[in-house]
Amino acid sequence: DAGVIQSPRHEVTEMGQEVTLRCKPISGHNSLFWYRQTMMRGLELLIYFNNNVPIDDSGMPEDRFSAKMPNASFSTLKIQPSEPRDSAVYFCASSLGRSSYNEQFFGPGTRLTVL
Amino acid sequence: ILNVEQSPQSLHVQEGDSTNFTCSFPSSNFYALHWYRWETAKSPEALFVMTLNGDEKKKGRISATLNTKEGYSYLYIKGSQPEDSATYLCAFRYNQGGKLIFGQGTELSVKP
Repeated sequence: DAGVIQSPRHEVTEMGQEVTLRCKPISGHNSLFWYRQTMMRGLELLIYFNNNVPIDDSGMPEDRFSAKMPNASFSTLKIQPSEPRDSAVYFCASSLGRSSYNEQFFGPGTRLTVL
Repeated sequence: ILNVEQSPQSLHVQEGDSTNFTCSFPSSNFYALHWYRWETAKSPEALFVMTLNGDEKKKGRISATLNTKEGYSYLYIKGSQPEDSATYLCAFRYNQGGKLIFGQGTELSVKP
């Protein structure tokens, strides 16, 4: 299996532009997680889906952030409009089931820089 | 507010040294504790999932213990090697469907 796939790996954009990050979870996994990693706050969960349904989006910073999971093999995290403080590494992870016995497998991350 | 703290923040050891670091988490409403290893420019990789008080897990030279009553877990590395250099993250979960709450990590550097 290729593991969790994220694209793009790097994104540089100007303030105010829309940014879309993409994630393909491991085939067969039914939970998907979006994380943001910054120096100040470490690794934070933004939102997670179970069976394509958002379960907990309390970590989404504000209305500029939105996430969708239209099917079991694809999810997007969109920032519109982007701001310099959104610069971070965004990780997607997937797991099989919601049990805490199931490990989360992380993608390589997307490094976002907003100028 | 659920807080997960790791110490030390960073650690520099010589090859061959054994080392350990700590993860502190709320002792109430414990469900599980995860340890991840995170190498620079890579994604976090799961090491252990620990659920029972007194649990001990081992993978090669790395082992971990868990004390849910007092809210801490130790990660040990025996005979550190340069390839052990990474950030070690712990993450706490308070219920089955709850999200993982990550600590800030311990950055380990092993010099040859």
